[in-house]
Amino acid sequence: QQQVKQSPQSLIVQKGGISIINCAYENTAFDYFPWYQQFPGKGPALLIAIRPDVSEKKEGRFTISFNKSAKQFSLHIMDSQPGDSATYFCAASKGGGATNKLIFGTGTLLAVQP
Amino acid sequence: KAGVTQTPRYLIKTRGQQVTLSCSPISGHRSVSWYQQTPGQGLQFLFEYFSETQRNKGNFPGRFSGRQFSNSRSEMNVSTLELGDSALYLCASSSGAANTGELFFGEGSRLTVL
Repeated sequence: QQQVKQSPQSLIVQKGGISIINCAYENTAFDYFPWYQQFPGKGPALLIAIRPDVSEKKEGRFTISFNKSAKQFSLHIMDSQPGDSATYFCAASKGGGATNKLIFGTGTLLAVQP
Repeated sequence: KAGVTQTPRYLIKTRGQQVTLSCSPISGHRSVSWYQQTPGQGLQFLFEYFSETQRNKGNFPGRFSGRQFSNSRSEMNVSTLELGDSALYLCASSSGAANTGELFFGEGSRLTVL
């Protein structure tokens, strides 16, 4: 019940295309869903995050779509660029307690071809 | 503003030895979390410290321990190293506000156990 399942494992997209990464969770106590981006040799960096009281959040070319009833959320990268090539992790955490513990998905390796 | 600093960046140990990894959080951040990253298991939460107190702990054996100092700097220790402990160990800091999910990661300490 603590897992966050992420798909696909890898993704190849042409420059200018849309990249879509999906995640699903089971624990309804999760109430914070961030996405992290990681480049080789670097630590993950927060990209965008959403709480379940909204169904969509957009920041520039990055959009999170959230479906509370299905317990699924996804990341859309519009107009994908070669510089977006990285590993993307979805994550989830529980509210109500004083903790920053994140449960991460297994990651998606994105390659944007020029 | 300086980011999260982890030392050492790379180290090689043999089975049975112990290792201590250090993390200096972003100035003003009071929460420090540690994660283990491996190709097989992905990013797994080890523990979190806030104001020198362990606030949460992941599902790792007692060989993994940590502490936080009054200046918020943190160390983690792994005793009796096993081959499976080879991983990238990531430290992340945050302001300490509960459940923000906004963690700032360092570049990690890559441990190889021979």
